[in-house]
Amino acid sequence: SAVISQKPSRDICQRGTSLTIQCQVDSQVTMMFWYRQQPGQSLTLIATANQGSEATYESGFVIDKFPISRPNLTFSTLTVSNMSPEDSSIYLCSANTGGFNYGYTFGSGTRLTVV
Amino acid sequence: KQEVTQIPAALSVPEGENLVLNCSFTDSAIYNLQWFRQDPGKGLTSLLLIQSSQREQTSGRLNASLDKSSGRSTLYIAASQPGDSATYLCAPYDSNYKLTFGKGTLLTVNP
Repeated sequence: SAVISQKPSRDICQRGTSLTIQCQVDSQVTMMFWYRQQPGQSLTLIATANQGSEATYESGFVIDKFPISRPNLTFSTLTVSNMSPEDSSIYLCSANTGGFNYGYTFGSGTRLTVV
Repeated sequence: KQEVTQIPAALSVPEGENLVLNCSFTDSAIYNLQWFRQDPGKGLTSLLLIQSSQREQTSGRLNASLDKSSGRSTLYIAASQPGDSATYLCAPYDSNYKLTFGKGTLLTVNP
């Protein structure tokens, strides 16, 4: 199965600033996914990122707050903009590398703390 | 909207016990279901994928079953070890490739 490298692994940021998270997949994938996991909660899908098109955001998430880039079939970034303490979460990227019957692989996560 | 419930929310067992983790989902029109483990503050590690046409999958000491019609999946862990301590998450997914996660079961295996 594919390997996804995600960085940074953790960061502590000042409120009002932005952080960009990167994910690199070791094979080409059509769709990449970004999730948020707030403290004590399960994973919530932020958006789906297809190469060559705008990301599709889930209800409650907007592009101005979470802009996503997908410049090629192996790479994507998620930016958390104008951060507040409520954005403190683990952010994870994911990809499905072989179709429906091959399951999903996740990056190692980015633990973000906003102070 | 798919909703996933995992029971129990937390489980503490002595080493060597066999245990069962339960997962239920409200929309049976799923394609497949995947079980993951998550260590504290880390990403997800895939454990087992059950395709919709299958009823169970096995990997080592792990066995997962799927009953789509009743909206249930179980993860059986045999001869538990302290290294099994983690949060276990189940996630069915639909034709739109979207995973829906439960809150997980926090497993602690005591030496």
